Amino acid sequence: DGGITQSPKYLFRKEGQNVTLSCEQNLNHDAMYWYRQDPGQGLRLIYYSQIVNDFQKGDIAEGYSVSREKKESFPLTVTSAQKNPTAFYLCASSKGGSGRADTQYFGPGTRLTVL
Amino acid sequence: RKEVEQDPGPFNVPEGATVAFNCTYSNSASQSFFWYRQDCRKEPKLLMSVYSSGNEDGRFTAQLNRASQYISLLIRDSKLSDSATYLCVVKPSGGYNKLIFGAGTRLAVHP
Repeated sequence: DGGITQSPKYLFRKEGQNVTLSCEQNLNHDAMYWYRQDPGQGLRLIYYSQIVNDFQKGDIAEGYSVSREKKESFPLTVTSAQKNPTAFYLCASSKGGSGRADTQYFGPGTRLTVL
Repeated sequence: RKEVEQDPGPFNVPEGATVAFNCTYSNSASQSFFWYRQDCRKEPKLLMSVYSSGNEDGRFTAQLNRASQYISLLIRDSKLSDSATYLCVVKPSGGYNKLIFGAGTRLAVHP
């Protein structure tokens, strides 16, 4: 089946630890994105990548890092520098290209809780 | 002011009712508009794109009013399965495929 997978579904982290969230897609999409969702707020963009080996900061990149070594994979690391990391993290992908928006498809998400 | 604003609800309606949600956006140069649906603790899924001429998909009708900078979603003959949060999404003009998400409007359809 084609789609986007994220793992783990739930993640618990102690303060001061870095954690890495996995995102994989087999849709052959060029563009990938990471968002976080907090209660009562819209999704906010953390990082995005339009092509392999390239990525850009979104609106709330501080305390996060990413890599895009393969087209299929876009892992997100939540570092200890992120002051309030407890949130629902969503990965998305789209065909890519500028101009009119192409549809973004979301993975099932990872719920991160800092203990 | 938020870039995309929605009434958070909840809208509590009986089955079979017609319900409408509005969404306003602040960037007059925005070029693309969408409604996504998000079930509780799940990922958002595209419900429909919103075109200038308005568009319909079964029981769902979306309309865009560029002059007043708002988007609407009308759901006719509500089903229990329509209970979800509906996210208004806007793409500003230019650049990469950046989307701005509203916080969502919650709909609860009851028997």
